[in-house]
Amino acid sequence: DTGVSQDPRHKITKRGQNVTFRCDPISEHNRLYWYRQTLGQGPEFLTYFQNEAQLEKSRLLSDRFSAERPKGSFSTLEIQRTEQGDSAMYLCASSSGAPSSYGYTFGSGTRLTVV
Amino acid sequence: QQQVKQSPQSLIVQKGGIPIINCAYENTAFDYFPWYQQFPGKGPALLIAIRPDVSEKKEGRFTISFNKSAKQFSLHIMDSQPGDSATYFCAARVTGGGNKLTFGTGTQLKVEL
Repeated sequence: DTGVSQDPRHKITKRGQNVTFRCDPISEHNRLYWYRQTLGQGPEFLTYFQNEAQLEKSRLLSDRFSAERPKGSFSTLEIQRTEQGDSAMYLCASSSGAPSSYGYTFGSGTRLTVV
Repeated sequence: QQQVKQSPQSLIVQKGGIPIINCAYENTAFDYFPWYQQFPGKGPALLIAIRPDVSEKKEGRFTISFNKSAKQFSLHIMDSQPGDSATYFCAARVTGGGNKLTFGTGTQLKVEL
């Protein structure tokens, strides 16, 4: 499978716990994006990487959120001290960054439920 | 601040009908306008996209109409089928914005037999 893979697909956690999600982009894509989608809304940008460099972070990404992309391959998104408001679908996407190829390929997402 | 406004929120059409979904934007720095289709439990999938120097783009049964002066664009689905039942999102990208997309709030389409 050459698509974007996200793990886990579902995560239920208790409020206050830390969680970490993983994203494996399409191998030849140098750009990787994290978005958050709540029920009935469109995806909202969180952050993006070009290779290993994190180039932009949304103000939605509070201090409790951190993302990494070591060696420019897979990426992890960690949420510390989870709150009920963090419950959402976390989507990862990748793109080649070439002007002729602006389209993203999204993964199927990790659905987080904070209880 | 919602930069891309999408309507309607939901839409029901009969098989063979032509659903139309509309989006409007304010930011003239947007230079790329894709549409995404999302099925339950899946991530959004790119359907079709347009640049503002083109007024219409057609791919298969999907057509984007773009009105630059009105800052509006719309998706038309010709000969709609039950398999087209999904949520559709318009989006927009800012020039030099690292390919970051701003999405509309989505339209839930149901195509009935």
